[in-house]
Amino acid sequence: GAGVSQTPSNKVTEKGKYVELRCDPISGHTALYWYRQSLGQGPEFLIYFQGTGAADDSGLPNDRFFAVRPEGSVSTLKIQRTERGDSAVYLCASSLAMGNSPLHFGNGTRLTVT
Amino acid sequence: AQSVTQLDSQVPVFEEAPVELRCNYSSSVSVYLFWYVQYPNQGLQLLLKYLSGSTLVESINGFEAEFNKSQTSFHLRKPSVHISDTAEYFCAVSGGSNYKLTFGKGTLLTVNP
Repeated sequence: GAGVSQTPSNKVTEKGKYVELRCDPISGHTALYWYRQSLGQGPEFLIYFQGTGAADDSGLPNDRFFAVRPEGSVSTLKIQRTERGDSAVYLCASSLAMGNSPLHFGNGTRLTVT
Repeated sequence: AQSVTQLDSQVPVFEEAPVELRCNYSSSVSVYLFWYVQYPNQGLQLLLKYLSGSTLVESINGFEAEFNKSQTSFHLRKPSVHISDTAEYFCAVSGGSNYKLTFGKGTLLTVNP
């Protein structure tokens, strides 16, 4: 069966540009999460959606980062005015619901800001 | 707030040897504990988890981890590793919810023939 799909797998952009990263969760998963993994670090929580709404966006580093999930399925992470420090692997995960359901991660999008 | 410390960034072992990957956590609330594995060129996969009940949890591929509340540890062990176990292993903790995971920096396990 299809897992969590993230596109693109790699994205190179210039400092100051705008980027969008897409996540297709597993069909039927109501919960969706974004994490960021910098080089040599473990993943860090960014934002969590339950359905269409962002239930917890406390991990977004600043207001240049924004994420949407308008129909409760696909999500887009948007980064404005990118900085070199934004370079990282952005991971998306989905699960059936909160509670004990395991998180299923995608392969990530590697973002490089030059 | 929670934090996770994985004491070894790299662990090289020979095939069929036992291995222990260490994980310590800190938290002011009751926790759920997880081990995730990332094989080369693949996404993170849940290996095993402790939510409640028995402090010893096992995975389907022979790994086990024991929750030790007094030592705030959740070390991962396998009595005999295979080359296919080569991967990066991440310990993670959540403070009672399943979504806001705090991860350690990871331990790269390399199994040599």
